[in-house]
Amino acid sequence: AQKVTQAQTEISVVEKEDVTLDCVYETRDTTYYLFWYKQPPSGELVFLIRRNSFDEQNEISGRYSWNFQKSTSSFNFTITASQVVDSAVYFCALIEGGSNYKLTFGKGTLLTVNP
Amino acid sequence: DGGITQSPKYLFRKEGQNVTLSCEQNLNHDAMYWYRQDPGQGLRLIYYSQIVNDFQKGDIAEGYSVSREKKESFPLTVTSAQQNPTAFYLCASSAFHRDGTNEKLFFGSGTQLSVL
Repeated sequence: AQKVTQAQTEISVVEKEDVTLDCVYETRDTTYYLFWYKQPPSGELVFLIRRNSFDEQNEISGRYSWNFQKSTSSFNFTITASQVVDSAVYFCALIEGGSNYKLTFGKGTLLTVNP
Repeated sequence: DGGITQSPKYLFRKEGQNVTLSCEQNLNHDAMYWYRQDPGQGLRLIYYSQIVNDFQKGDIAEGYSVSREKKESFPLTVTSAQQNPTAFYLCASSAFHRDGTNEKLFFGSGTQLSVL
């Protein structure tokens, strides 16, 4: 069965610090897709990234970067030079290739960026 | 603007009462979902629908029911059989990649259901 673990329940940083959110996943499929979502206080989840299991290239988008390592089953998310607007709950999620509709979420990490 | 609209934002349920949460999308997506979120927990899948007039149970379907009579609409009923309904409910729809895989989910802003 698929599983996503976000061991960090809460993280608090001061503005301009870099912060890494950890995500470890379990799956028996060789084909799967990993996601990160942001949930600001408004409640709506916002899509950040989708990565397939065959693409281990790291990705950078502005202040955001993702490190995908199949050897450790991890898909970590780093925010560089954090800002107060980055404060939110961040979810890592997984879909196995054989179940196109069942997205499994981790429990989320609450990030608080203090001015 | 295209998106997903959930209503109401806050809902209160009395003992023994059924309540219905509304979810409408204008993204022309075939697939729609209902998730439940409890404090400090991840999202858990209640029901999903791949297409109109079809839906499947997710991981925690007991005490809930859905219908999918129109592509745009996927209402969720929380029945009196649901013993612990207090939670934040999120509706979503999904777009599919060219290769047929699930590209991403789009979410509504949620409904907070509380028991009186």
